[in-house]
Amino acid sequence: DTGVSQDPRHKITKRGQNVTFRCDPISEHNRLYWYRQTLGQGPEFLTYFQNEAQLEKSRLLSDRFSAERPKGSFSTLEIQRTEQGDSAMYLCASSTYRGEKLFFGSGTQLSVL
Amino acid sequence: AQTVTQSQPEMSVQEAETVTLSCTYDTSENNYYLFWYKQPPSRQMILVIRQEAYKQQNATENRFSVNFQKAAKSFSLKISDSQLGDTAMYFCAFMTAFQGGSEKLVFGKGTKLTVNP
Repeated sequence: DTGVSQDPRHKITKRGQNVTFRCDPISEHNRLYWYRQTLGQGPEFLTYFQNEAQLEKSRLLSDRFSAERPKGSFSTLEIQRTEQGDSAMYLCASSTYRGEKLFFGSGTQLSVL
Repeated sequence: AQTVTQSQPEMSVQEAETVTLSCTYDTSENNYYLFWYKQPPSRQMILVIRQEAYKQQNATENRFSVNFQKAAKSFSLKISDSQLGDTAMYFCAFMTAFQGGSEKLVFGKGTKLTVNP
């Protein structure tokens, strides 16, 4: 069990560019979550997968954001036409059952210039 | 919609002393889960303690314990014998237990705890 891993750790991009982040959950976990955290705030929920099905999306997830979890394993989060307001830490987490503890990755820090 | 409020943006404590972090929440539901997560400067979020609302007994994990007051919608975290490694941001979080309901965690804004030597 190597924990939840996220790649890259840091991403700097110019406004208008597309970016993609990857999350590898703990292998036996069927639930995968994406959260966004800005400085001085708690994480905000973005979306949730159970296996390969995306079961829940926040209204924060505009049409520029898309997430996938093909084959129910790793997940990707893509942001198209990035804006400065997208600058944040993007956290991935996984778990087995509702209400059980989430295992978080170290996050991807996005800076949009 | 559920909300979680942490009214103490920052707190400090001397090593080996006890500190209590406050959390209140708002929900119309009867069954739910409450959590305290710790985020050290290394930034990886780690679960500290978990409480199921239908359990009256307060959860305890070693030096960490909670005071869960369901009627008052209060969920405070007590850290005993504080250690330097406890320095971190602490987030209180809520999740409904309703089957078929949202599986999102709703987080408070956090309390920055500093343990001084």
